[in-house]
Amino acid sequence: EVQLVESGGGFLQPGGSLRLSCTASKLNFSNYWVHWVRQGPGKGLVWVSRITSDGRSTSYADSVKGRFTISRDKAKNTVYLQMNSLRVEDTAVYYCVREGGDGYPTWYFDLWGRGTLVTVSS
Amino acid sequence: SYVLTQPPSVSVAPGQTATITCGGNNIGSQSVHWYQQRPGQAPVLVVYDDTDRPSDIPERFSGFNFGNTATLTISRVEAGDEADYYCQLWDGDSDHYVFGSGTTVTVL
Repeated sequence: EVQLVESGGGFLQPGGSLRLSCTASKLNFSNYWVHWVRQGPGKGLVWVSRITSDGRSTSYADSVKGRFTISRDKAKNTVYLQMNSLRVEDTAVYYCVREGGDGYPTWYFDLWGRGTLVTVSS
Repeated sequence: SYVLTQPPSVSVAPGQTATITCGGNNIGSQSVHWYQQRPGQAPVLVVYDDTDRPSDIPERFSGFNFGNTATLTISRVEAGDEADYYCQLWDGDSDHYVFGSGTTVTVL
């Protein structure tokens, strides 16, 4: 079964750092744009960041710009989200998401991981 | 940034039709996509590009987009349709992806 698998979530204090990883299983997603979407407890979906297939272009939500960095390693078939200066409001399940379209953007998300929980609390 | 407005909840009896709206300024000029999220699960794409369905989504799910409102319609509602539904689009001005606030569909 084709799937995206997130890892790296955990519990940490405000101001801390964490790196999330997203690995594709039974899928080479090097040609796809990949995103991170988060969902706070009992809250709705919030888009966080996107990286293009070649890794040259990234985009961030205003709430995380300057604190989070998205990157990818094609050789490892993995996308990362480096999160620095974490805040309580960053607490959420973080989903790795594939944008549909092999080699081109489609502006919608056709494959989601199960998510990894990040909890920021003092 | 672009804002998408959804009603918090919709209730519908089994076998009836549920209509979920997604409001936005001239949203009809954009491509809108819809996701279903069952409790405890990751979201699933149910409609993309306003009206298209992934191959594994039942025909009971349909979409429409015109003017300032996009709509997801679920016909012949079943108990398994009980979930949160989110609309989403790409805002080209900011290069951001935007989700609506979500609508909880309750099957009575």
